[in-house]
Amino acid sequence: DSGVTQTPKHLITATGQRVTLRCSPRSGDLSVYWYQQSLDQGLQFLIQYYNGEERAKGNILERFSAQQFPDLHSELNLSSLELGDSALYFCASSVEDSPGTEAFFGQGTRLTVV
Amino acid sequence: SQKIEQNSEALNIQEGKTATLTCNYTNYSPAYLQWYRQDPGRGPVFLLLIRENEKEKRKERLKVTFDTTLKQSLFHITASQPADSATYLCALHGNNRLAFGKGNQVVVIP
Repeated sequence: DSGVTQTPKHLITATGQRVTLRCSPRSGDLSVYWYQQSLDQGLQFLIQYYNGEERAKGNILERFSAQQFPDLHSELNLSSLELGDSALYFCASSVEDSPGTEAFFGQGTRLTVV
Repeated sequence: SQKIEQNSEALNIQEGKTATLTCNYTNYSPAYLQWYRQDPGRGPVFLLLIRENEKEKRKERLKVTFDTTLKQSLFHITASQPADSATYLCALHGNNRLAFGKGNQVVVIP
């Protein structure tokens, strides 16, 4: 158990809908990362927050947004869902926002858009 | 553009042998390189971190090398076991993000 909790584990929804994925980082970790992993793709970096502030943005679609709350949990909002958004979404956390810090991953949310 | 490349072909290896995986990168100047293990449908798990001034790092049956001149890291699993079957990912920090290679699958045959 990494200490990172993601909910829900599975989500099935229709095209055009909006969903929210939730992540609780390890106790004491200030940094939260979101990744998308599709069947034929590696882990694609979406966005990073550190202590409530956005630190880095990857190829995140405009339909996607995220935030980190004062209690450090984070939410990833996906709207106007398309079939191609079906993927595993992972959240990771780390103590610091520095290159030498290991990341701890949650078990992921499997999103299926039908 | 920045790239992290790992072999897309699965590595099938007999139990007890050494598995060696390669991670090549371009347009990064990393001070650190990390390796993770990922099992199907699960989140990656951190294995090892190696610094640019370390040529080699070991942890139990795992060994990692880091050659900043070649821009390459090698990941070795010695005395491999069926339980080592998984996908192994290398990761680098760049542009304020931790970026991953696509991973290299290892299958250890009993």
